[in-house]
Amino acid sequence: QSALTQPASVSGSPGQSITISCTGTSSDVGGYNYVFWYQQHPGKTPKLMIYDVSNRPSGVSNRFSGSKSGNTASLTISGLQAEDEADYYCSSYTTSTTWVFGGGTKLTVL
Amino acid sequence: QITLKESGPTLVKPTQTLTLTCTFSGFSLSTSGVGVSWIRQPPGKALEWLALIYWDDDKRYSPSLKSRLTITKDTSKNQVVLTMTNMDPVDTATYYCAHRQNPGSPADYWGQGTLVTVSS
Repeated sequence: QSALTQPASVSGSPGQSITISCTGTSSDVGGYNYVFWYQQHPGKTPKLMIYDVSNRPSGVSNRFSGSKSGNTASLTISGLQAEDEADYYCSSYTTSTTWVFGGGTKLTVL
Repeated sequence: QITLKESGPTLVKPTQTLTLTCTFSGFSLSTSGVGVSWIRQPPGKALEWLALIYWDDDKRYSPSLKSRLTITKDTSKNQVVLTMTNMDPVDTATYYCAHRQNPGSPADYWGQGTLVTVSS
């Protein structure tokens, strides 16, 4: 199974919105509503931000939202804040009953 | 409160077998739907899912590493053990264990991770 495809980097100014894409295949992203997004600050442990494509765990800001269309999932962060600067990873369940991660996207807040 | 902590050697030699232990609290691995994953991250690189063990002892492995991995659990000790054979310098990474209960999720709560370096 190949890693999911994410842009290496995205950037935005405070207050703006950004979207990070995560492209897979019909065997993973397109086949299930089991897409997850994780935030990782430098030197820190990943934190679950979105589960099941579009659901937020308790305590995660509603500025974070997820969606999916076909084989591509997306994470949108609105009202960008300096603290959002981090690496973001998507993950999907697969038809092999295993999981695959994306290559990660570095978000820079200008 | 769910907590997980990884333990094991920080340095292994090429061709050796790595054994990592995940000790957890705040949940039971005998509860339906619960599982523990192992995930690694080479320095400066992306996350890679390795293996998962379910509450019913069902196991899943990364297809690319399946021949080298074994995951087991000791419910009475609240521990999950991952062994990886034939270690190579490219296996140098931070290894994380993680709790999962969301259906379809590989990881909900993560341990702090442990850095394993493979070098002679």
